Amino acid sequence: TQLLEQSPQFLSIQEGENLTVYCNSSSVFSSLQWYRQEPGEGPVLLVTVVTGGEVKKLKRLTFQFGDARKDSSLHITAAQPGDTGLYLCAEKYNFNKFYFGSGTKLNVKP
Amino acid sequence: ETGVTQSPTHLIKTRGQQVTLRCSSQSGHNTVSWYQQALGQGPQFIFQYYREEENGRGNFPPRFSGLQFPNYSSELNVNALELDDSALYLCASSLLGGGYEQYFGPGTRLTVT
Repeated sequence: TQLLEQSPQFLSIQEGENLTVYCNSSSVFSSLQWYRQEPGEGPVLLVTVVTGGEVKKLKRLTFQFGDARKDSSLHITAAQPGDTGLYLCAEKYNFNKFYFGSGTKLNVKP
Repeated sequence: ETGVTQSPTHLIKTRGQQVTLRCSSQSGHNTVSWYQQALGQGPQFIFQYYREEENGRGNFPPRFSGLQFPNYSSELNVNALELDDSALYLCASSLLGGGYEQYFGPGTRLTVT
């Protein structure tokens, strides 16, 4: 396993602003997942990235996997209050086991 | 297709007691993983069950134990509860060898006083 560092820890922005959150490691990821978790609920998978340099888009969310597969970013365009939540990155290791970062808590104010 | 369900939703126990949490996996999934999520932290892997046997374990003491049943549902048992065991306990189901997706239940909020 390896240490996943997420930054920033907290982010509070106004509706309509853009933002980027990051997930970094000192070692190479085999694959990386991004989840969003709302209060009182379990994490919900947003995307899985596998190939270095990969970019995936999900409506206003853009996910990027670093060329060296040691970092990833999530960019949200024109954030909305519904984007509020805890954003978690997770690395898969040993078949179906996952190691999670501590997350970025995003608050989008109307 | 039913999603992952967990029971109970909330639970309050006293230090030293024992607790059992339950999870029903998503239809078609054969693997259940359990996670502990402390307040303000990401989920930490406790263990995984596949074909009714433990298939990997995180850094948790033996007083955390589990079971998986033939219908792939699962239980998490914690003995000799400590205050630090207060957390959200999540289970996630997946299909071993079926790719990267795992689906989480809503969790059980355990408070130890």
